[in-house]
Amino acid sequence: DSGVTQTPKHLITATGQRVTLRCSPRSGDLSVYWYQQSLDQGLQFLIQYYNGEERAKGNILERFSAQQFPDLHSELNLSSLELGDSALYFCASSSHRGPSDTQYFGPGTRLTVL
Amino acid sequence: GQNIDQPTEMTATEGAIVQINCTYQTSGFNGLFWYQQHAGEAPTFLSYNVLDGLEEKGRFSSFLSRSKGYSYLLLKELQMKDSASYLCAGNTPPDKLIFGTGTRLQVFP
Repeated sequence: DSGVTQTPKHLITATGQRVTLRCSPRSGDLSVYWYQQSLDQGLQFLIQYYNGEERAKGNILERFSAQQFPDLHSELNLSSLELGDSALYFCASSSHRGPSDTQYFGPGTRLTVL
Repeated sequence: GQNIDQPTEMTATEGAIVQINCTYQTSGFNGLFWYQQHAGEAPTFLSYNVLDGLEEKGRFSSFLSRSKGYSYLLLKELQMKDSASYLCAGNTPPDKLIFGTGTRLQVFP
């Protein structure tokens, strides 16, 4: 158990809908990262927040947005969903003491768009 | 550019040693991580190399050569539970991890 929690574990929805994925980092960690992993694909970095502020952006679509709240939990919002958005979405957290900080991953949310 | 390459699949026998290679073409990598991921589960941290050389942790060791853009993960005394994907990831400023597509290792009895 990494100490990172994600809800829900599974999500099934229809095209065009909007969903929110939630992540709580490990106690004391200030940085939260979101990744997408499609079937047989590598982990794709989406976005990073540090202490409430956006810090780095990857291949995140404009239909997707995220935020980190004062209690450091984070939400990833996915809208106008398409079939291709079906994937595992992972959240990771780190203490952000330096560039060698290990990222610890949550169990993921499996999103299925029908 | 930032590109990480690893073999797609490898097979090995229980009790054997296997080396999973990772090459990268990038500038600005702070270091290289290795993660293990069982199917449908979260990646779990194995090792981090920032300096050239070998880091040993029990049955697992990781090596880095920054000048050659090369790393490997060495798994000794393979067990069936080591069947998983092994992900190589470069750490780029400020804290982005760029992952390879992973190497799926199958361990046979």
